Amino acid sequence: EDKVVQSPLSLVVHEGDTVTLNCSYEVTNFRSLLWYKQEKKAPTFLFMLTSSGIEKKSGRLSSILDKKELSSILNITATQTGDSAIYLCAVCKSNYQLIWGAGTKLIIKP
Amino acid sequence: NAGVTQTPKFRVLKTGQSMTLLCAQDMNHEYMYWYRQDPGMGLRLIHYSVGEGTTAKGEVPDGYNVSRLKKQNFLLGLESAAPSQTSVYFCASSWSTDTQYFGPGTRLTVL
Repeated sequence: EDKVVQSPLSLVVHEGDTVTLNCSYEVTNFRSLLWYKQEKKAPTFLFMLTSSGIEKKSGRLSSILDKKELSSILNITATQTGDSAIYLCAVCKSNYQLIWGAGTKLIIKP
Repeated sequence: NAGVTQTPKFRVLKTGQSMTLLCAQDMNHEYMYWYRQDPGMGLRLIHYSVGEGTTAKGEVPDGYNVSRLKKQNFLLGLESAAPSQTSVYFCASSWSTDTQYFGPGTRLTVL
């Protein structure tokens, strides 16, 4: 059975800290891994990682895919209160279906 | 460009009642999806569609039906609502690629 597991489930840090969120997967017919940020409403797309693009960076956020270890990390440096959200990891299969993790709830304290 | 829209935003039903959730997208996407999101469980796929006139079952299809009569619309129906269907429902759409774009969600409570 396909599964995506995120850790930790929740995390509380202070503004300015650096955080690392983890995502591991066991999914057949892997196509890509995606990270989304969910604040109060709909998830919004952050990154997509594939075999040909295993590292992405945007501002203070960066992500790496380790296909050997079947995992990915999302790093956020110099965190701000606006980074508080649920971060979702999903694996896209070859039929374009996404298998989602339960998410990591990140709280940034001022 | 409105993107993906969902109606209604909130709804309260009594057990046994029926309702339809409407999803509309103006991005000419082929693929559309219905998910439910429950605390601690992430997003679970209910049904999806790979094009106008097609539908397929996802991970948790029981108790739901869908229709895709027009490319831009994807309807989710609950024929006889149950308290276990209390959830937040998200619609999403995509081209035949990996990235999905989400609607704002519908919060449904079944009493």
